[in-house]
Amino acid sequence: DTAVSQTPKYLVTQMGNDKSIKCEQNLGHDTMYWYKQDSKKFLKIMFSYNNKELIINETVPNRFSPKSPDKAHLNLHINSLELGDSAVYFCASSYGTSGGHRSKQFFGPGTRLTVL
Amino acid sequence: GQQLNQSPQSMFIQEGEDVSMNCTSSSIFNTWLWYKQEPGEGPVLLIALYKAGELTSNGRLTAQFGITRKDSFLNISASIPSDVGIYFCAGLTGGGADGLTFGKGTHLIIQP
Repeated sequence: DTAVSQTPKYLVTQMGNDKSIKCEQNLGHDTMYWYKQDSKKFLKIMFSYNNKELIINETVPNRFSPKSPDKAHLNLHINSLELGDSAVYFCASSYGTSGGHRSKQFFGPGTRLTVL
Repeated sequence: GQQLNQSPQSMFIQEGEDVSMNCTSSSIFNTWLWYKQEPGEGPVLLIALYKAGELTSNGRLTAQFGITRKDSFLNISASIPSDVGIYFCAGLTGGGADGLTFGKGTHLIIQP
């Protein structure tokens, strides 16, 4: 029944390490997103993928690299982790290009990343 | 970039009271969405609005898409303890592959 799922739920790691977060959706959507929520709960778009192609790449350090093996999956790989990368990362999905009611975005449960 | 001004930042209310919150923007949006986030969870979609002037209800929740397309309002009637959480407005300018622009959230706290 899970619509948008993410793994892991929690990720604690040392500075300088490389880590990945995985996202899967079973809603049949063609667009997936990564958002970052900071300690003040502010949510900001990082990336958007439509049919496995990168649509949006906001001003995110190039240490962050999204990869979409198929329409149902969007993974986020982070190289050389820094203290400031600590945040909650949310995956979301929608029928991206249709507009109207098909543009509603549904969010996963989040991955809390802590960099020590 | 675009910004959404959401207010109030927090609300302390008694159970049974009505709640109102709003978002304003200097830019036009084509879609307004309202989400609720509880601790340790992702945002959950409450209401979506697609046309200027549209008024939509979801149970005790009612939201409106402002006629200028630069604002939106969410009302909660007869609040109950499970309404506690952070409410976010979000706007969408394009067809949908765009990322959402979020407000900073309204923390709703219900006092016993």
